[in-house]
Amino acid sequence: NAGVMQNPRHLVRRRGQEARLRCSPMKGHSHVYWYRQLPEEGLKFMVYLQKENIIDESGMPKERFSAEFPKEGPSILRIQQVVRGDSAAYFCASSPDLPLQGETQYFGPGTRLLVL
Amino acid sequence: GQNIDQPTEMTATEGAIVQINCTYQTSGFNGLFWYQQHAGEAPTFLSYNVLDGLEEKGRFSSFLSRSKGYSYLLLKELQMKDSASYLCAVRDPGVGGGNKLTFGTGTQLKVEL
Repeated sequence: NAGVMQNPRHLVRRRGQEARLRCSPMKGHSHVYWYRQLPEEGLKFMVYLQKENIIDESGMPKERFSAEFPKEGPSILRIQQVVRGDSAAYFCASSPDLPLQGETQYFGPGTRLLVL
Repeated sequence: GQNIDQPTEMTATEGAIVQINCTYQTSGFNGLFWYQQHAGEAPTFLSYNVLDGLEEKGRFSSFLSRSKGYSYLLLKELQMKDSASYLCAVRDPGVGGGNKLTFGTGTQLKVEL
């Protein structure tokens, strides 16, 4: 059973370009969470999605950031017109459809975005 | 609001015991998690507490007091490979019952010879 997959692992963009980060959850998981980790800071929740639905986007910046989780294919976090402050590690996590009380979220390896 | 505090860094000796504390104030609570994160890698799950008391798992134990908003992670028989950042996270039901995690900034543990 493969773990959470993220690609690319490293992404370099110039200011003003678009960044697309992909996440494939573990098999049997339909709950996806995106977190951002800025240098020397903790992980910050961005958005929670289920298939074809955004459930909680309270941590998403109001502009330039969007997320989707289509019926088929991976979840995508899109950052338009990137700025240097977007440079961070972006982690995706997934959890089971029917989580047990102690069921945790399983994290992918992350995408490290560098904006030049 | 959400507030999770843990020490920024700690140093301990190989073979010793270390306790990493975490205090939290969150609007919702549905369990507390500890994760380990090595530099440049994904967080990996260590332990989970939802009821008061101690949970033991090999060399790692975690304690929770909900009334005090307090948890600690205890690492025994420290090994060099335990050098990592340890993240305290509270599960918050959030919007739609999503159970999002709110993380502290992490405690960087350095194990020395």
